[in-house]
Amino acid sequence: QVQLQQSGPGLVKPSQTLSLTCAISGDSVSSKSAAWNWIRQSPSRGLEWLGRTYYRSKWSNDYAVSVKSRITINPDTSKNQFSLQLKSVIPEDTAVYYCVRQDGGFLDLWGRGTLVTVSS
Amino acid sequence: QSVLTQPPSASGTPGQRVTISCSGSSSNIGNNYVYWYQQLPGTAPKLLIYKNNQRPSGVPDRFSGSKSGTSASLAISGLRSEDEADYYCSAWDDSLIAWVFGGGTELTVL
Repeated sequence: QVQLQQSGPGLVKPSQTLSLTCAISGDSVSSKSAAWNWIRQSPSRGLEWLGRTYYRSKWSNDYAVSVKSRITINPDTSKNQFSLQLKSVIPEDTAVYYCVRQDGGFLDLWGRGTLVTVSS
Repeated sequence: QSVLTQPPSASGTPGQRVTISCSGSSSNIGNNYVYWYQQLPGTAPKLLIYKNNQRPSGVPDRFSGSKSGTSASLAISGLRSEDEADYYCSAWDDSLIAWVFGGGTELTVL
């Protein structure tokens, strides 16, 4: 049974970097059929896809235009996990952040979510 | 403003049939599969329908999906109180190179 376990701080100060990690069990971050996504949800923006990382013959990333200048998603093969870094956060980045597996071409498994509040 | 358009709310009485619509464009629904997610209060979204009309194992056949052109719909028959949740449609967008979502429909069972 595949599980995604999220970790990271729930409070980040404005202008700082939001960092979250998603540990994978029952699957591999290096899977050639999967992609590993970050999605956030807030009352004002709804569900918003942020980006993904995936391995085929090499590692690749896709990022949403809205956060492209501030986001990095990295795999960690030694720990079988992937991470999200969002720089220069503002209060509008306050949201529940989900890590999500994409397999078979669709988003099939969601982590439990982490509420991240951006506030001083 | 979500890329896909859903009604904000829907309702029905137990046993009724309810449909939820989702409207997009040629770059998303028109050219790709549609997916539906159910989100119960305080939980993560859960895949309900994939590839327009397929149900993952464990999803009751009371839930069905369909797609026509740039629109899709989710139907729930034999409505039950436990179906009260938010429902979201989603598709890949070839122009944005991104997953896009509807704004969600809050379903109330009266």
